Amino acid sequence: AQKVTQAQTEISVVEKEDVTLDCVYETRDTTYYLFWYKQPPSGELVFLIRRNSFDEQNEISGRYSWNFQKSTSSFNFTITASQVVDSAVYFCALSTLYNFNKFYFGSGTKLNVKP
Amino acid sequence: SAVISQKPSRDICQRGTSLTIQCQVDSQVTMMFWYRQQPGQSLTLIATANQGSEATYESGFVIDKFPISRPNLTFSTLTVSNMSPEDSSIYLCSVASANEQYFGPGTRLTVT
Repeated sequence: AQKVTQAQTEISVVEKEDVTLDCVYETRDTTYYLFWYKQPPSGELVFLIRRNSFDEQNEISGRYSWNFQKSTSSFNFTITASQVVDSAVYFCALSTLYNFNKFYFGSGTKLNVKP
Repeated sequence: SAVISQKPSRDICQRGTSLTIQCQVDSQVTMMFWYRQQPGQSLTLIATANQGSEATYESGFVIDKFPISRPNLTFSTLTVSNMSPEDSSIYLCSVASANEQYFGPGTRLTVT
């Protein structure tokens, strides 16, 4: 069975602070995909990143970075120098090669960035 | 990428009535998906809709409650039938395109 856990329900930081959102996943499949999505207050889901299980390289995109560690089944997301516009709910999700389009979402982490 | 639109964007409905939500994609896609996001909760897959065949429902969701149509490769509808306040949620349409999954803006449904 597949499962995604985001233990942090809500995080509050002050602008310019760095913040890390945790994601732990469970799957017995050897090929799988991990995703992060952002859901601002307007409600739409914004795709941020996809990682496949064979690619453990960390990735940086501007102020965003992702740390994928298979040894701990984690795919954490760090925002550097946070901004008020980063305030949103962030979802981590998992899908597998067998059923790529079926996403298992974590419960989400609400990030509040205060000015 | 795929651009998805949904109608209506939001609605307030009375219990016992039904609402049909439309999902339109700007390109042809094989698979379309419907998700539900209850207040403060994560997203849960309701069903997968393929053109030319009946939708495949996930555990806990049934066709009588959530009938789905998929008349062509760019359009789908989800009906929420005989609504109760527990159906108050955001309903999102999603498509798979070029190994990515895209989500529509969602329909915010409130049942009174």
